[in-house]
Amino acid sequence: EVYLVESGGGLVQPGGSLRVSCAASGFTFSSQWMTWVRQAPGKGLEWVASIKEDGSEKYYADSVRGRFTISRDNAKDSLFLQMNSLRAEDTAVYYCVRGAAGLDYWGQGTLVTVSS
Amino acid sequence: QSALTQPRSVSGSPGQSVTISCSGTSSDVGGYNYVSWYQQHPGKVPKVMIYDVSKRPSGVPDRFSGSKSGNTASLTISGLQAEDEADYYCCSYAGRYSFVFGSGTKVTVL
Repeated sequence: EVYLVESGGGLVQPGGSLRVSCAASGFTFSSQWMTWVRQAPGKGLEWVASIKEDGSEKYYADSVRGRFTISRDNAKDSLFLQMNSLRAEDTAVYYCVRGAAGLDYWGQGTLVTVSS
Repeated sequence: QSALTQPRSVSGSPGQSVTISCSGTSSDVGGYNYVSWYQQHPGKVPKVMIYDVSKRPSGVPDRFSGSKSGNTASLTISGLQAEDEADYYCCSYAGRYSFVFGSGTKVTVL
């Protein structure tokens, strides 16, 4: 069975940095695009970033480009999102998701709160 | 990357059919056959119901169907059931390796 387990969320001050991680299991991680999707409290879903199977291509939403970096370690079946220059509007649950055009498996999410 | 437009809410009685629209542009919905739909119950993780406009993952009831005409995609739920009450989001490839979600629709079963 496919499992995606996020970690690393928490409270951070505006302007600060945070790195969230996702441990994958139950499928061949290195053969799948991976994506981060976020959801602010009480709001809708927002695509954040996607990364190709081998990590050679990375794509970002305009709202995070230049501040966030998606990466992966296929040897450890792990996905990462490095978030810098965080703003209040980045407060959300961050979901690790398998796929890109079709997001078929979702983690439970990790909450990132940006507040002073 | 503006959000795709969905009705805020739709409702129907058990057994009826409801259709949720997802309006975009020729740069997203109308330009590619990469529209997907997600169901999210309160406090739960989203679940894919439709991908590539009209394909249904295994395990998703055939009551759910997807289609597209021009710049508007649609999700139809036939034979509405109580457990279908949830929020639904569309998502489309928007070119230049980006994706955009819809604003979300709350489906209420009367």
